[in-house]
Amino acid sequence: DSGVTQTPKHLITATGQRVTLRCSPRSGDLSVYWYQQSLDQGLQFLIQYYNGEERAKGNILERFSAQQFPDLHSELNLSSLELGDSALYFCASSLTSGGVHNEQFFGPGTRLTVL
Amino acid sequence: AQSVTQLDSQVPVFEEAPVELRCNYSSSVSVYLFWYVQYPNQGLQLLLKYLSGSTLVKGINGFEAEFNKSQTSFHLRKPSVHISDTAEYFCAALTKETSGSRLTFGEGTQLTVNP
Repeated sequence: DSGVTQTPKHLITATGQRVTLRCSPRSGDLSVYWYQQSLDQGLQFLIQYYNGEERAKGNILERFSAQQFPDLHSELNLSSLELGDSALYFCASSLTSGGVHNEQFFGPGTRLTVL
Repeated sequence: AQSVTQLDSQVPVFEEAPVELRCNYSSSVSVYLFWYVQYPNQGLQLLLKYLSGSTLVKGINGFEAEFNKSQTSFHLRKPSVHISDTAEYFCAALTKETSGSRLTFGEGTQLTVNP
C-alpha cells in the first residue's frame, strides 16, 4: 500500500458525459501528479500540482482539467468524454516538486470505461 | 525532449532463470532513471532508481540495474526469477522543469515467469 488513495476504482460512463476522479496523496506529500495509461498511448504524464499550484503540464487535452485543494487532495475532471478516453488513470504523490530525490508514489488507479 | 525505449514488449522465462529487461533513453541533460513494476490490477511500485554515483543500482526483490552512459542504457537484471515476479515492468526518466517535474515512461515489458 503506497498510501495514495484514488476513488472510484472503476467508472463506467457514456460518451459525452463528464466525470471526476479523486486522489488523496500520502500524508505529508505536497505534490500530486496525474498519469493516463492506455493500450495505444502507454503511460503518459498529464499534469502536476504542488501545494495547490500547477507546476508541470503534459499533453493534457483541453477537455481535461485538474485542481488541488487546500487539504491537498486533487481532482481530475474529464468532460465531453470520447471512447478513446477509456484508460487507467493514475495519481502519484511526492514530498516536493522537482527534486530528484523525490520518489513518486502511485495510487491503485481509476479504470474509466466510456461506452 | 526525453524519450525512453524498452526494447522487448514481452519476455518469457522459466523459474530460477536469469532475466534482463532492456531500456534505452535519450537525453541531452542530466539523467535520472527509474524502474517501476506493475502487478495485475495494481498501481506502480518503484523497484530502483539511478540519480548519480555508482552505475550499479540495487533495488527491491533482488533486482538490480546498470546505468551505461556511453550506450544510453539502463537495463534491469535479476539472477534468478520467481513465479511471483510475473508483472509488467516500466523504465522511466525524470524530467525536471522550471518549477516541477514529470516521469516519461517506456512502453513496458511484460515479464512472464513459467514453472
